Amino acid sequence: QKEVEQNSGPLSVPEGAIASLNCTYSDRVSQSFFWYRQYSGKSPELIMSIYSNGDKEDGRFTAQLNKASQYVSLLIRDSQPSDSATYLCAVNQDSWGKLQFGAGTQVVVTP
Amino acid sequence: DVKVTQSSRYLVKRTGEKVFLECVQDMDHENMFWYRQDPGLGLRLIYFSYDVKMKEKGDIPEGYSVSREKKERFSLILESASTNQTSMYLCASRKQRDLSYEQYFGPGTRLTVT
Repeated sequence: QKEVEQNSGPLSVPEGAIASLNCTYSDRVSQSFFWYRQYSGKSPELIMSIYSNGDKEDGRFTAQLNKASQYVSLLIRDSQPSDSATYLCAVNQDSWGKLQFGAGTQVVVTP
Repeated sequence: DVKVTQSSRYLVKRTGEKVFLECVQDMDHENMFWYRQDPGLGLRLIYFSYDVKMKEKGDIPEGYSVSREKKERFSLILESASTNQTSMYLCASRKQRDLSYEQYFGPGTRLTVT
């Protein structure tokens, strides 16, 4: 069974600080990795995708991928109260686009 | 913008009822997916469809069936609803040739079976 693991949290982060979220996956052949943000009662929305080893930055978000260690992370810089949400890590399973999701990490940004 | 809509935001059904959840996308996407989301378990794939009339089981298909008669519409059917099917149901779609594999989600249907 392919697995995607995340710490469930909650991860409490002071406003303005960096939030660091981690995700590990079991399937070595996975090539595409995603971070979705989900507000309470809402559906997931894509915030970052990463396909190559290294860092990818988009605004206040940085995704980091290390395929050798089967590890992907998300950094949120200058955290804002509006970043309080659950962050889902997802890994593609096959060419049909099926994704395997982690259970999510809840982030709480405190003013 | 891609738009994925689901027929109901909230639904309450009784045990044993047949339940239909509808999903419609307006971007000519080939692939469509049904997930359920439960606290602590994340999103789990129930069924997916890669084209009209084509379907494949996901990780938890038991107790569910699907129908895809038109490209834009993907229906999830609970043949005889049970209380353990109380959950949030999410539909998603993606373009087959989109190498980014991004999936676009509908707003979700929170189903309660009593």
